[in-house]
Amino acid sequence: DTAVSQTPKYLVTQMGNDKSIKCEQNLGHDTMYWYKQDSKKFLKIMFSYNNKELIINETVPNRFSPKSPDKAHLNLHINSLELGDSAVYFCASSPTTGSTEAFFGQGTRLTVV
Amino acid sequence: DQQVKQNSPSLSVQEGRISILNCDYTNSMFDYFLWYKKYPAEGPTFLISISSIKDKNEDGRFTVFLNKSAKHLSLHIVPSQPGDSAVYFCAARGAQKLVFGQGTRLTINP
Repeated sequence: DTAVSQTPKYLVTQMGNDKSIKCEQNLGHDTMYWYKQDSKKFLKIMFSYNNKELIINETVPNRFSPKSPDKAHLNLHINSLELGDSAVYFCASSPTTGSTEAFFGQGTRLTVV
Repeated sequence: DQQVKQNSPSLSVQEGRISILNCDYTNSMFDYFLWYKKYPAEGPTFLISISSIKDKNEDGRFTVFLNKSAKHLSLHIVPSQPGDSAVYFCAARGAQKLVFGQGTRLTINP
């Protein structure tokens, strides 16, 4: 019974394609996040949503569009994929915005070829 | 411009000894600091945290120390066990978000 689950776990796709990563949490948390682990291994926040509302939008290209149909789901859609988008993407949730503890999904390894 | 840095990409320690993982930060407005542990093919999991108003927090074998004047925190694991082998991320909270370092891979040798 996974608390934060994201699919798919692996995604290999060609440049120029559009792809989505889905995330669901069953913890009843209000806040959800997307993080990107880049080639230098830093975990960098991309977006955060609180009760379906966008709270944080870091300097992420417009090709990345998060969608939160309800507070238990935060999906990430990426248009016109580029080689530099290859990374591991982690979804996370926390009870509220700014909670000290976040619960992470297992990650989605995206490879753009 | 990385506000949280872990300058040691890897650390190898013998089982039973103390493991010390280090982290430096630049933003004096961070109010909470955390350590996360990550196994391969899994997401990071919360390990221990410390408020910026404290200098030490202990939880079993894990102790986090905070030196605000040096903008430095460390995680001590004693005694180290094989199951502690993982990547450890330092994180700091500021402006309603967590800022992570790049992780240190800890290997515990039998």
